[in-house]
Amino acid sequence: EVQLVESGGGLVQPGGSLRLSCAASEFTFSSYWMHWVRQAPGRGLVWVSRINSDGSITAYADSVKGRFTISRDNAKNTLYLQMNSLRAEDTAVYYCARAYYPDYWGQGTLVTVSS
Amino acid sequence: QLVLTQSPSASASLGASVKLTCILSSGHSSYAIAWHQQQPEKGPRYLMKLNSDGSHSKGDGIPDRFSGSSSGAERYLTISSLQSEDEADYYCQTWGTGMVFGGGTKLTVL
Repeated sequence: EVQLVESGGGLVQPGGSLRLSCAASEFTFSSYWMHWVRQAPGRGLVWVSRINSDGSITAYADSVKGRFTISRDNAKNTLYLQMNSLRAEDTAVYYCARAYYPDYWGQGTLVTVSS
Repeated sequence: QLVLTQSPSASASLGASVKLTCILSSGHSSYAIAWHQQQPEKGPRYLMKLNSDGSHSKGDGIPDRFSGSSSGAERYLTISSLQSEDEADYYCQTWGTGMVFGGGTKLTVL
């Protein structure tokens, strides 16, 4: 069964950095676009970033452009999100998701930005 | 600007049917969408991709109780024979310059 497992969340101070990982298994990771989507407490889903199958094309929501970087290591079947200059409004559960219309999602990892 | 509009809430009785609606903004009526379910305290789950002609492709293991249909700029998710585990938030999603989500509909099963 396809599995996506996020990790790396936690409590970080405003202005700090965090790197999220998403470990993929039971499918050919290198064949799929991947995404990060976040959900602030009590709010809806918001797209953050996407990356194509070989990592050569990326895109970001305006709210994170210039601060977040998506990347992938196809040899390790892992997706990453490097988050810098974090703000309180970045507090959310972060999900990784597979494919253009996401057909599998992880369980999420919570990022809390607070002093 | 591409916007997906969903009613914030819906309710229906156990064993009944419910039809949830997602409305594409003007000029985007040909867009396909996807429906995702999010049960309390869980990650989202893909239900189906729904095209403008009403054809749809469901995710792995999605029961036949879940179906999709389209009319103009409206995309529908119908859930029949409602069960308690269907109580969840339902999001529609499509693509503009980035991935776009509707605000979600919270479904209560009475």
